Amino acid sequence: GAGVSQSPRYKVTKRGQDVALRCDPISGHVSLYWYRQALGQGPEFLTYFNYEAQQDKSGLPNDRFSAERPEGSISTLTIQRTEQRDSAMYRCASSLAFRGDHEQYFGPGTRLTVT
Amino acid sequence: QQQVKQSPQSLIVQKGGISIINCAYENTAFDYFPWYQQFPGKGPALLIAIRPDVSEKKEGRFTISFNKSAKQFSLHIMDSQPGDSATYFCAASMSAGSARQLTFGSGTQLTVLP
Repeated sequence: GAGVSQSPRYKVTKRGQDVALRCDPISGHVSLYWYRQALGQGPEFLTYFNYEAQQDKSGLPNDRFSAERPEGSISTLTIQRTEQRDSAMYRCASSLAFRGDHEQYFGPGTRLTVT
Repeated sequence: QQQVKQSPQSLIVQKGGISIINCAYENTAFDYFPWYQQFPGKGPALLIAIRPDVSEKKEGRFTISFNKSAKQFSLHIMDSQPGDSATYFCAASMSAGSARQLTFGSGTQLTVLP
């Protein structure tokens, strides 16, 4: 079956532009997570959703970052007025439920480069 | 401090050897410790996981050893194969709250020589 998909896979944007990163989780997965992974580092938590409700956005670096999941399926991470320090791999993960030891399935990521 | 420290940063092992990667954590509220394997161009994939009520878990050639008192856990890969060459991440999460956001280590790049 299809895994987690993300688009675009690569995004190059100029400083000051807004970008929208899309995540399509595994069908039926309740929880959806966004992580950011710097080169040579592990993924760092940004935010997560159970169904359409954003449960925790404590990992978002600042108010330029926002995320939504309006119908409890596809999610969009938006970065406004991008800065060079926003350059990183942005990863999405989904899990079947939000209780218990449910495996998080990661997507291939979106490589964002801000020039 | 929700931090997980991982070592070594890189590891080179001969085929058939044992690969050992170590992690240490600080937050005693962590109660779930997965290891993820990541190949170039791919997302991390769950390899094996352990809860702190057991000291060891084995799945095939992969074993997690857990030392609750020392707040340390490690991944052992027996009979390492070239196909095991990848980046390995330890992680930790806690059951408090309604989801299991993961706190990752910095990763270990494993190279298994043929």
